[in-house]
Amino acid sequence: QKEVEQNSGPLSVPEGAIASLNCTYSDRGSQSFFWYRQYSGKSPELIMSIYSNGDKEDGRFTAQLNKASQYVSLLIRDSQPSDSATYLCAVNTGGFKTIFGAGTRLFVKA
Amino acid sequence: EPEVTQTPSHQVTQMGQEVILRCVPISNHLYFYWYRQILGQKVEFLVSFYNNEISEKSEIFDDQFSVERPDGSNFTLKIRSTKLEDSAMYFCASSPRGEGGQPQHFGDGTRLSIL
Repeated sequence: QKEVEQNSGPLSVPEGAIASLNCTYSDRGSQSFFWYRQYSGKSPELIMSIYSNGDKEDGRFTAQLNKASQYVSLLIRDSQPSDSATYLCAVNTGGFKTIFGAGTRLFVKA
Repeated sequence: EPEVTQTPSHQVTQMGQEVILRCVPISNHLYFYWYRQILGQKVEFLVSFYNNEISEKSEIFDDQFSVERPDGSNFTLKIRSTKLEDSAMYFCASSPRGEGGQPQHFGDGTRLSIL
């Protein structure tokens, strides 16, 4: 059974701080990795995609991938209260199926 | 910005009835997906669809479910003989390419309530 694991949280950080969200996956053949943000009662919204080892930056967001450790993370710099949401890690193993983690709830305190 | 649209936003149905959930994917996307999210649980893959056929499906997607692209714009999910446990949010998604994993863009979802 292919799994994507995330700490459910909640993760609480003060406004302006760096939020660090982590994800591990079980299938070594996984090729594509995604971070989605989901506000309560809303649909997942794509934040970042990453396909190769290392860091990928987009504005305040940085995704990090380490395939040897089967680990992917998301850093949010200068966290804002509007960043408060559930962050979903999603992994594709090469076919058409994308597996989602249960998500980490983030609270950014003003 | 182009978006995936889903209708209805909320569907209430009696157990045992059939429901059809509708989606209009982003116009230049070729790959379409349905996902389910039971309240408080993770997003679960149901099925992917390309070139008028199912490309992959999960163990959840049994004979009760079917998908169809009846015309050039709509993509539907049909659930026959609904059960209480079918109550969930159903999300449609689309991507310009498919295999190997491409970012998928989600619609706002249909909340399905089975009574």
